[in-house]
Amino acid sequence: AQSVAQPEDQVNVAEGNPLTVKCTYSVSGNPYLFWYVQYPNRGLQFLLKYITGDNLVKGSYGFEAEFNKSQTSFHLKKPSALVSDSALYFCAVRPLYGNNRLAFGKGNQVVVIP
Amino acid sequence: ETGVTQTPRHLVMGMTNKKSLKCEQHLGHNAMYWYKQSAKKPLELMFVYNFKEQTENNSVPSRFSPECPNSSHLFLHLHTLQPEDSALYLCASSQGQTPNEQFFGPGTRLTVL
Repeated sequence: AQSVAQPEDQVNVAEGNPLTVKCTYSVSGNPYLFWYVQYPNRGLQFLLKYITGDNLVKGSYGFEAEFNKSQTSFHLKKPSALVSDSALYFCAVRPLYGNNRLAFGKGNQVVVIP
Repeated sequence: ETGVTQTPRHLVMGMTNKKSLKCEQHLGHNAMYWYKQSAKKPLELMFVYNFKEQTENNSVPSRFSPECPNSSHLFLHLHTLQPEDSALYLCASSQGQTPNEQFFGPGTRLTVL
């Protein structure tokens, strides 16, 4: 079955510095990969996805993610973090073929320090 | 109203109570999902409905009973719950199941006493 690992519980970054949230995945065959963000008292919001093609995917709010097949990673990045980026970030994966189940990681709390 | 709505937003219930969670999507999607979110754990997929038909039941205890009367509405009926069932219950919808992204409601914060 597919799974996602988000190794860090919390990521602290100073405002204006680059932000990286790590994700590695395990799936049978080629993956579909997603990033979602959750603000307090809200549901998850879609940020970006990788299906096929260019390994660098650009998404909402200036976020991007790079698909690395050899390292089975899909790290989320933002060149310059804002205080408003403080939230819980989830990576998710499902296989290109086979079951439709989207497997989520446990989430990373991002804290951007003013 | 737009997007995915869930009611109630907060629910406190005893172990002998029966209650229901409601989800409504205004996006014209045909797939709907229930997830359980517990702190510092991955989101747990509970049920999937596609065109009102249940296509996934992720080994969920029978004290959780879903209902999908049409593609816009999804219910989760609760009875004789346990304290460990306390969590945030999220509803989501999508157009088809893959690879389209899922749109989530704000969730119902459930506390079982």
